[in-house]
Amino acid sequence: QQPVQSPQAVILREGEDAVINCSSSKALYSVHWYRQKHGEAPVFLMILLKGGEQKGHDKISASFNEKKQQSSLYLTASQLSYSGTYFCGTELSGYSTLTFGKGTMLLVSP
Amino acid sequence: GAGVSQSPSNKVTEKGKDVELRCDPISGHTALYWYRQSLGQGLEFLIYFQGNSAPDKSGLPSDRFSAERTGGSVSTLTIQRTQQEDSAVYLCASSQARGEQETQYFGPGTRLLVL
Repeated sequence: QQPVQSPQAVILREGEDAVINCSSSKALYSVHWYRQKHGEAPVFLMILLKGGEQKGHDKISASFNEKKQQSSLYLTASQLSYSGTYFCGTELSGYSTLTFGKGTMLLVSP
Repeated sequence: GAGVSQSPSNKVTEKGKDVELRCDPISGHTALYWYRQSLGQGLEFLIYFQGNSAPDKSGLPSDRFSAERTGGSVSTLTIQRTQQEDSAVYLCASSQARGEQETQYFGPGTRLLVL
């Protein structure tokens, strides 16, 4: 039940926007987003619970469409520091194991 | 405060040897997770510990892999008779509890290379 992330990779110029999607074939309880910079540990960004909520974190926000079992991560006015690999992790229930997607590599160039 | 720490940072071993990887979770965190990350792949769940409950071993790829957590704190992941396909980064994470408020804090990982 590994979630599918798209795109696999994206290259942006500083200031451009990007959307990263995370889809599941199973009904989801929650979606977690993490960012991992090269050679570093993944760092938590946000959790979204079922109910179609949307959250924001500086210029990074996300939505969770329960009907589509899909979450989207929005990066606006990208900065160089946004570069890294973004992973979504999904839970089927509040007490199930978190299953991560294969990641989306984001590169922001000057 | 201190984050999750792992040791060693890097480990090179010969095929067939056993290795032990250590994880020190954040103090007070009752949940501890082990993941494996191969090049270009996502985070593959291996095992999960929660307090004194029996661990969730559903992600261990073979019986060569085992893990224990002593005293509800430090955890050791052991790989016996290592194979080249075991080469990967092994990440440990801890969280306060499992549930909707769960946020996993990851350690820096141990990079294992099996020659």
